[in-house]
Amino acid sequence: GAGVSQSPRYKVAKRGQDVALRCDPISGHVSLFWYQQALGQGPEFLTYFQNEAQLDKSGLPSDRFFAERPEGSVSTLKIQRTQQEDSAVYLCASSLVQGLDTQYFGPGTRLTVL
Amino acid sequence: QKEVEQDPGPLSVPEGAIVSLNCTYSNSAFQYFMWYRQYSRKGPELLMYTYSSGNKEDGRFTAQVDKSSKYISLFIRDSQPSDSATYLCAMMKGAQKLVFGQGTRLTINP
Repeated sequence: GAGVSQSPRYKVAKRGQDVALRCDPISGHVSLFWYQQALGQGPEFLTYFQNEAQLDKSGLPSDRFFAERPEGSVSTLKIQRTQQEDSAVYLCASSLVQGLDTQYFGPGTRLTVL
Repeated sequence: QKEVEQDPGPLSVPEGAIVSLNCTYSNSAFQYFMWYRQYSRKGPELLMYTYSSGNKEDGRFTAQVDKSSKYISLFIRDSQPSDSATYLCAMMKGAQKLVFGQGTRLTINP
């Protein structure tokens, strides 16, 4: 079966542009996570969904960042008015059930803001 | 100060050597401890997961947790060039949110 997929794999944006990053979790996975990984750093938590409900968005760095999962499957992370400090790899992960369960990561989207 | 500290390396060892990777943490609320491996331009993949102090072995990999010292380790025996990657420790404190270390870049030289 397919793993977590993310698109696009690479995105270059000019400062001030809006971007949308897509995550397709493993089919049937209830939980979905977004992480941000800066160059040379470990991933940092952004937000978490259980089905369509966004249960934790404490890691979103500013109100320019917005995530949604309207039908409890595909999720989109949107960044408005991108800044250079937003340049990073954005990782999506999904897990089968709530509670402690293995998180399976996608390959990430590498965002470069010029 | 970060909740999870990990030496970024880089670490370079000859093939066949025993590799020791370590993390320290400050938050005693962490209950679950993981090691992820991340190849270049890929997402992290789970290697080992433990929730109690002590050792857990899986093939050439051994994970060790010492909660009293807030210290975790990953040992790789008979290291192979294919083990060359970045190794990330990660910890969980409720709500499934993972807190990662910085990652250690490891190279195994043939």
